[in-house]
Amino acid sequence: GENVEQHPSTLSVQEGDSAVIKCTYSDSASNYFPWYKQELGKGPQLIIDIRSNVGEKKDQRIAVTLNKTAKHFSLHITETQPEDSAVYFCAASKGGSYIPTFGRGTSLIVHP
Amino acid sequence: GAGVSQSPSNKVTEKGKDVELRCDPISGHTALYWYRQRLGQGLEFLIYFQGNSAPDKSGLPSDRFSAERTGESVSTLTIQRTQQEDSAVYLCASSDPGRPQETQYFGPGTRLLVL
Repeated sequence: GENVEQHPSTLSVQEGDSAVIKCTYSDSASNYFPWYKQELGKGPQLIIDIRSNVGEKKDQRIAVTLNKTAKHFSLHITETQPEDSAVYFCAASKGGSYIPTFGRGTSLIVHP
Repeated sequence: GAGVSQSPSNKVTEKGKDVELRCDPISGHTALYWYRQRLGQGLEFLIYFQGNSAPDKSGLPSDRFSAERTGESVSTLTIQRTQQEDSAVYLCASSDPGRPQETQYFGPGTRLLVL
């Protein structure tokens, strides 16, 4: 089955810096890669996703890049703010009704 | 519109007791998923419903765990004879077949503590 590795497990940055979280996947058939943000005491919320027919997607301060050949994808957050502090999860899915496989999460701490 | 809701938000129970956790998905979402999240850990898949049937129960950790869904809506996750290792946050998610089905919308979770 699919295996998703996520790094780092913890990331501490200063406000205004950029943050990058990386994930690798094992199943070349995976074609959908969402990123979720989980704030303390809440459920994960989708923040951005990318499909295998594109290499990069951007939404304001967040962007995701995908390298299908290397089977890795990354989340980039620019101009970080304290409210970006949360746990971020990546996932990989073969689409349709396939169950996504989640990474173990990255705890991002943005220091004011 | 309303998002995924779960109840109770918190549950404390004694070892050996049964618990029922409820999930109300977004209206019209035919796919429903249950996950378990232990403290500081990732999401552990438990079961998936398409309509009222469960084509994938592969994640249920033991026969003490069961789930059902009725009316292609509400789902209940039942844990019998709870053990301390069942303590976790139980998350429910739903998705819409009319949109990319892979996009899951999560509820706030039920925090279960087994004493």
